[in-house]
Formats: sequence, C-alpha cells, structure tokens
Amino acid sequence: EVQLVESGGGLVKPGESLRLSCAASGFTFSGSIMHWIRQAPGKGLEWVSSISSSGSYIYYADSVKGRFTISRDNAQNSLFLQMNSLRGEDTAVYYCAREDGYRYKGYFQHWGQGIPVTVSS
Amino acid sequence: SYVLTQAPSVSVAPGQTARITCVGDKIGSQTVHWYQQKPGQAPVLVVYDDNDRPSGIPDRVSGSNSGSSATLTITRVEAGDEAEYYCQVWDATNDRPTFGGGTKLTVL
Repeated sequence: EVQLVESGGGLVKPGESLRLSCAASGFTFSGSIMHWIRQAPGKGLEWVSSISSSGSYIYYADSVKGRFTISRDNAQNSLFLQMNSLRGEDTAVYYCAREDGYRYKGYFQHWGQGIPVTVSS
Repeated sequence: SYVLTQAPSVSVAPGQTARITCVGDKIGSQTVHWYQQKPGQAPVLVVYDDNDRPSGIPDRVSGSNSGSSATLTITRVEAGDEAEYYCQVWDATNDRPTFGGGTKLTVL
C-alpha cells in the first residue's frame, strides 16, 4: 500500500524557516517524480514544487522561488521542503504527492494526509 | 500560464445528476483529471485521463472533455458526494500541474 506521511509543520513567525519531510513507503520511491502541493485556508490547490526521480530536475512556483528548496533522499525514501523567509501567505496545508500517469499528462493518485504550516507573528 | 475556470458552486437534489465543468483554452486537446476533496481531508482522484476511474470510484462518476470545456458528471447523486471538486491539467510549457479553482457540490 502506498503511503506518504508528512511531518515538520507548525507555527512560525514571518521570516523564520521550517523544513517539511515526507516519508514514503509501499512503492519504488527512487523511480517516482514527487511534488509538494499546498492549500491555503478556504482556498484551492496550489502546486509548489516538483523534483525528478534522481533529483536532477527541480521546479518551483514563482510564489516560492528563491525561498523554498525541494530535495529528496532516495536511500531513506524521503522528500523534503526547506522553507525559508516564510510569509503570511505561505500559511497552508502542505501535501506531498506522487506523480502518476504519462509524462506531461500527469496526475496525483497518492497524497499524504497534509501538514499545516502557519506563519503568524 | 494555463488557466482553468470552474464555477464556484453547484447544487443538486439527491438522485439527480450533477455536472461540474472546467473551462480552459482548447482544453479538449489537454488531458484532464478530477479530484474530490471533503473538509479536512486530502484530495482523492476520481477521474484521470479525461474519463478513466481509479479502482473504488463508482461508475456513477464519469468525465468528458471536448472543445473548450471538460465535465465531471455524477449521476444518482448521494449525500456523500457533497464535496469540493477540482480539475487539473498539465502545463507542458512550464512543466507543472495546473488546478482549477474548485467547485463546491452541495446536495440539497
């Protein structure tokens, strides 16, 4: 059974940092493209970042570029999101998700349970 | 970037048919996926590749895609179908997924 379990969320002040982790199991993590997707309170889904199976290809939404860093440890079946210079608008539930389907037509059948991040003074 | 537009809300009576649309430029040439999200839960994939269903999704749920809109259709609507529904395509230019704004389905 595919499982994705996020951790590391919490309450931080503006300008502070936080590191999210996503522990994967039940599938070949090293062969999977992984994503972070977030959802602000009462809002829709917003893609944040993605990383290729090897970690060679990384993409970010403009809203987080230069502040967030995605990484992975295939030996530990783990995905990470280092979030620096956090802002109030980064307040959201953060999901890790595995990309499925054909390249450039992908979808997300497997999501973590989500981890809340609150940025407030 | 590619924009997907969904109506904020749709209401239907139990037993009736709900149709949730997703509008985008030439979306018929894209591959559309749909998610159901209930409060406090992670999204659940209900339709992928325009009209395929993951295992466990009832055949009351179907998708179609043509021209400038894609549609998620739920027949014989039940109280348990009440949720937010999101469409999603792949923005190949920027190599990232794009989500619609979501449609709240209310079962009267």
